[in-house]
Amino acid sequence: QQQVKQSPQSLIVQKGGISIINCAYENTAFDYFPWYQQFPGKGPALLIAIRPDVSEKKEGRFTISFNKSAKQFSLHIMDSQPGDSATYFCAASRNDYKLSFGAGTTVTVRA
Amino acid sequence: NAGVTQTPKFQVLKTGQSMTLQCAQDMNHEYMSWYRQDPGMGLRLIHYSVGAGITDQGEVPNGYNVSRSTTEDFPLRLLSAAPSQTSVYFCASSYRQGGYGYTFGSGTRLTVV
Repeated sequence: QQQVKQSPQSLIVQKGGISIINCAYENTAFDYFPWYQQFPGKGPALLIAIRPDVSEKKEGRFTISFNKSAKQFSLHIMDSQPGDSATYFCAASRNDYKLSFGAGTTVTVRA
Repeated sequence: NAGVTQTPKFQVLKTGQSMTLQCAQDMNHEYMSWYRQDPGMGLRLIHYSVGAGITDQGEVPNGYNVSRSTTEDFPLRLLSAAPSQTSVYFCASSYRQGGYGYTFGSGTRLTVV
């Protein structure tokens, strides 16, 4: 039973468009929410992360929106580029060493 | 280059065979973990270690053993391979508690026939 539910499973966006990936969780003890980016044949790499005391965090074209009351968070990729084509995982952690991952979203950016 | 090194990159096993997946990190991280990645299921934690001599089970530990004799190395042993263990395995390390600063290796693709 996954502790973090992620949607959609895949999405296709045109170059310059906006990609949106959503995640939801149940465990209110989670206090750290990172997003990982994975290219084919590579391991996941940390993209951006947020803590529940802020509602939004932006790094370049990537933005996390966090809704603590709804127990949901999302990743927005603005001005999507072909190089953003990858699989994205949301994750959540309590104050321990373990990360719980979502199922992943494969993003394809069409030129 | 500093990071997490996994070997081998690819492996084919016959059902019932045993093998060890190697993982080494040179960042002096205390925390190391093993995940398996399967389509539609994300990454699931197999075993983890919070320091040399200390290991614990994760979400899907059955069929796997680990040990941590040094800070640098965290091998994963498959005792008797089964087709259900066909997966991509990732080792990761972290420098602090709370899920921060995870660094993943490039993975081992294992096929059990």
